[in-house]
Amino acid sequence: SYVLTQPPSVSVAPGKTASITCGGNNIGSESVHWYQQKPGQAPVLVILYNNDRPSGIPERFSGSNSGNTATLTISRVEAGDEADYYCQVWDNNSDHVVFGGGTKLSVL
Amino acid sequence: EVQLEQSGAEARKPGESLKISCKGSGYSFPYYWIGWVRQMPGKGLEWMGIIYPGDSDTRYSPSFRGQVTISADKSISTAYLQWTSLEAADTAMYYCVREPYEGSIRGIMLYWGQGTLVTVSS
Repeated sequence: SYVLTQPPSVSVAPGKTASITCGGNNIGSESVHWYQQKPGQAPVLVILYNNDRPSGIPERFSGSNSGNTATLTISRVEAGDEADYYCQVWDNNSDHVVFGGGTKLSVL
Repeated sequence: EVQLEQSGAEARKPGESLKISCKGSGYSFPYYWIGWVRQMPGKGLEWMGIIYPGDSDTRYSPSFRGQVTISADKSISTAYLQWTSLEAADTAMYYCVREPYEGSIRGIMLYWGQGTLVTVSS
């Protein structure tokens, strides 16, 4: 089964840029989606198809995907961005969703 | 507006059965894949499976196949997640989720229910 690897935690100062990585074998050939989950809330889709933003998601959120690493980038980080972030792909070989382990973003 | 309304929190004993529900509204329920995601306390997201209510075509994660049953009743726009014999390890929040594109399964969870907390304890 396909495995996605995320760092457990990332810290960033307000106003700076946060980068959260998602590693997978040749992940650049996959479509990667990203979710934000704040404490006590259901997750929210923030990036789909590597770098598309659903309606209502700020332009500060962007994504990239190449080689063995996909990256979620949050520019001009705000305190309200503090959350867990999950990357996700659809495993075409076995017809199921695979999630990364999640990354806790802390805003210092 | 698309909404997924889940049934309320449940408490059961090990060995008991349970069926939780997710009612979709604001869209044509039969034509969008709808699935379930588990989140154990303090842990990450785990995809369980997905169903197309129009014809009940169902796909399961290998980790959950045989452990749960996903079903749907398109006449009342409701999807279900069912256990026949719960274990303490089934204690978790369960979210229903919906794909964004009609008739298409792409593994994208654009819409989420509010979650149903299931507690299994003796």
